[in-house]
Amino acid sequence: AQSVAQPEDQVNVAEGNPLTVKCTYSVSGNPYLFWYVQYPNRGLQFLLKYITGDNLVKGSYGFEAEFNKSQTSFHLKKPSALVSDSALYFCAVRPGFTGGGNKLTFGTGTQLKVEL
Amino acid sequence: NAGVTQTPKFRVLKTGQSMTLLCAQDMNHEYMYWYRQDPGMGLRLIHYSVGEGTTAKGEVPDGYNVSRLKKQNFLLGLESAAPSQTSVYFCASSYVQGLGENTEAFFGQGTRLTVV
Repeated sequence: AQSVAQPEDQVNVAEGNPLTVKCTYSVSGNPYLFWYVQYPNRGLQFLLKYITGDNLVKGSYGFEAEFNKSQTSFHLKKPSALVSDSALYFCAVRPGFTGGGNKLTFGTGTQLKVEL
Repeated sequence: NAGVTQTPKFRVLKTGQSMTLLCAQDMNHEYMYWYRQDPGMGLRLIHYSVGEGTTAKGEVPDGYNVSRLKKQNFLLGLESAAPSQTSVYFCASSYVQGLGENTEAFFGQGTRLTVV
């Protein structure tokens, strides 16, 4: 069964410092990987995805993520955090081939807190 | 272009009552999903659909039923509500696999349901 692990319930970082939110996954075959962000009382917003190609993908609001197949990881990063980045971040995975199933599975989420 | 619209946004039910949550998307997506979000548990898949007239069970289907009579609508029903179904419910939709660039899911704003 496919699964996503986000080992940190909360990440605290000072504004201006780099941030990393960790994600590891398990899925049959090649994965499609996603990061979403959720602000309070809102739905999830898509940030970025890895489908194929370059292992470093860039997304919205200056975020990027690095796909590492050998470590089955897809960590979210940003070189310089902003207070406005404070939110709940979700990693998600689905099989990347037809016939691999259609489920989109999420991790439990990581609360990012950026402080002045 | 409204995207994914959920109705209602809030609801309070008494134990044993029934209700239907409506999800509508105007992006011609094939896939639609229903998730519930609970603190510390992330998003858990209830049911999903890969096309009009088809549905499948997710991780936590018990106590819920779904229907997809039209491509743009995905209904989630609670036949006899229980306090354990108090949660925030999210609907999402996406294109079918294999289209590479268009695989991310789009989410509605959520329905906050309380069962007393």
